[in-house]
Amino acid sequence: EAGVAQSPRYKIIEKRQSVAFWCNPISGHATLYWYQQILGQGPKLLIQFQNNGVVDDSQLPKDRFSAERLKGVDSTLKIQPAKLEDSAVYLCASSSLGSTDTQYFGPGTRLTVL
Amino acid sequence: GNSVTQMEGPVTLSEEAFLTINCTYTATGYPSLFWYVQYPGEGLQLLLKATKADDKGSNKGFEATYRKETTSFHLEKGSVQVSDSAVYFCALASGGYNKLIFGAGTRLAVHP
Repeated sequence: EAGVAQSPRYKIIEKRQSVAFWCNPISGHATLYWYQQILGQGPKLLIQFQNNGVVDDSQLPKDRFSAERLKGVDSTLKIQPAKLEDSAVYLCASSSLGSTDTQYFGPGTRLTVL
Repeated sequence: GNSVTQMEGPVTLSEEAFLTINCTYTATGYPSLFWYVQYPGEGLQLLLKATKADDKGSNKGFEATYRKETTSFHLEKGSVQVSDSAVYFCALASGGYNKLIFGAGTRLAVHP
């Protein structure tokens, strides 16, 4: 079974530029998550989708971050404009619909903002 | 709010030593508890989990017991190997949508 796919793996941009990350979850997984992991910290949930609806975006900086999940499958996370403090690894995860189901993580995208 | 606190690293051990990584949590209700591991250059992987009090999760020689009275979920392994060198994250999930809240992570380095 294929795992969670993410691209790109690495991205370097200058502040005030925009960037987008892509995630393809495990086939059949209804729930998709985007986490931000700053160096030396644990991952922090940015947004959670169930099918193509948002169920939690309470920690998403909505003035600059946006995310969508078209057709309830793959998803994109966008930052516009980027700030220095956005430098982090962006992790995508997916799980089945159950409330205690395991989340499976992708390899992440490492973003460096100069 | 809900939170997870785990011991700071790095933890440096010799091969075959006993490992304990402490994890305590604060949560309303009855959370599920997890240990995730991140090997160098790889993504997060679930190591073990426990969904109710007194449950013991185990995998690859690692164990952790859900202690509600002490709000703890300490990770243990009787004899570590060099291949166990990684960053270990304790996490909890609470509420209806399975949102994970992670600790800061503990880096483990095992030397031959």
